[in-house]
Amino acid sequence: DAGVTQSPTHLIKTRGQQVTLRCSPKSGHDTVSWYQQALGQGPQFIFQYYEEEERQRGNFPDRFSGHQFPNYSSELNVNALLLGDSALYLCASSWGQGARQPQHFGDGTRLSIL
Amino acid sequence: GESVGLHLPTLSVQEGDNSIINCAYSNSASDYFIWYKQESGKGPQFIIDIRSNMDKRQGQRVTVLLNKTVKHLSLQIAATQPGDSAVYFCAEKSEKLVFGKGTKLTVNP
Repeated sequence: DAGVTQSPTHLIKTRGQQVTLRCSPKSGHDTVSWYQQALGQGPQFIFQYYEEEERQRGNFPDRFSGHQFPNYSSELNVNALLLGDSALYLCASSWGQGARQPQHFGDGTRLSIL
Repeated sequence: GESVGLHLPTLSVQEGDNSIINCAYSNSASDYFIWYKQESGKGPQFIIDIRSNMDKRQGQRVTVLLNKTVKHLSLQIAATQPGDSAVYFCAEKSEKLVFGKGTKLTVNP
């Protein structure tokens, strides 16, 4: 039973570029959430997708956008990259958007901005 | 505003001892709490959760205690092993999942 998978594992970009990160949820899960984790900090919620729509959003600018596909996989897009966007980007999946169920995380994509 | 914090950023214990990791939360509307373990280079791994209608829940070698009166959450690890060395995060959920900053647990052999 595959868990949450993310790609790529590492990525290097320069300021002003755009990036797309990908996530496949755990089998049986229909809800995908994205988090940004700066070094030495806890994950910060970016947004959540359920039924192919953004349902909740954290305090992140519109440069951060996403998409969920019919097979429940998801993408995170970041435009006009800034140095401060360097972080570990985590995807988490769960069943049921509002359910009190634990989110299961992938190992993340390490994004470095030069 | 809502926030989840930890009382101690680091904790060092001897192998075989019991560990206690504490967490304070401020959002009284939170009704679900989770502990995660994060090893270097990996994503957070679910350990145990508890709903607000409970004050204690036990798993394998782990126990979570919830005190809603003082908004305090703790994770107890029995017979701590070197493999338990990691950063531990508490997270609380009302509308969204909010993480604390983490406690680094080091287990000395």
